[in-house]
Amino acid sequence: NAGVTQTPKFRVLKTGQSMTLLCAQDMNHEYMYWYRQDPGMGLRLIHYSVGEGTTAKGEVPDGYNVSRLKKQNFLLGLESAAPSQTSVYFCASRPVPRDEKLFFGSGTQLSVL
Amino acid sequence: DAKTTQPNSMESNEEEPVHLPCNHSTISGTDYIHWYRQLPSQGPEYVIHGLTSNVNNRMASLAIAEDRKSSTLILHRATLRDAAVYYCILRSSNTGKLIFGQGTTLQVKP
Repeated sequence: NAGVTQTPKFRVLKTGQSMTLLCAQDMNHEYMYWYRQDPGMGLRLIHYSVGEGTTAKGEVPDGYNVSRLKKQNFLLGLESAAPSQTSVYFCASRPVPRDEKLFFGSGTQLSVL
Repeated sequence: DAKTTQPNSMESNEEEPVHLPCNHSTISGTDYIHWYRQLPSQGPEYVIHGLTSNVNNRMASLAIAEDRKSSTLILHRATLRDAAVYYCILRSSNTGKLIFGQGTTLQVKP
């Protein structure tokens, strides 16, 4: 059972380039989340999804787009990367509304030059 | 969204109990209180959660104040592997969002 898998683990982009981060979970979880973490700070919620085909904005959604076309996948897109988006990105999933436990992936280290 | 306030850092000696405090004075009646911890270069790991009553599991205990404006995570016997950043988080019952605060860095001395 792989749990929550994030792809890629590391990436370096130039300013203005685009990319997509993939989060896949094999636990049939309903809720999925994207967070970013900057040095010395806690995690900030970017976007989240409460089910297949749904997405919602979190605390810091600007500059990011998401899609949840399949229940097991939650994609985070950067259309035009900026240096301010250099961060570690974490994906998480949660089984059902009444199950409180979040499962996190191991993170994606993104650098934008 | 309600916020949490935690001390930036705490120290403990190995094999002694640790009490990690969290203030959440703006908590709403149906917000759940969560605790996660994060080891270096890893994603956060679930520790415990509660709503109104105190909770115990194999990792820790959660003591929730009667007015729910504060809570305390209790590690009964700290080990070196418990050194991590501990986050106290509120989960909005309306939106399902979990908003992380700054966290408390716990150092455990041998």
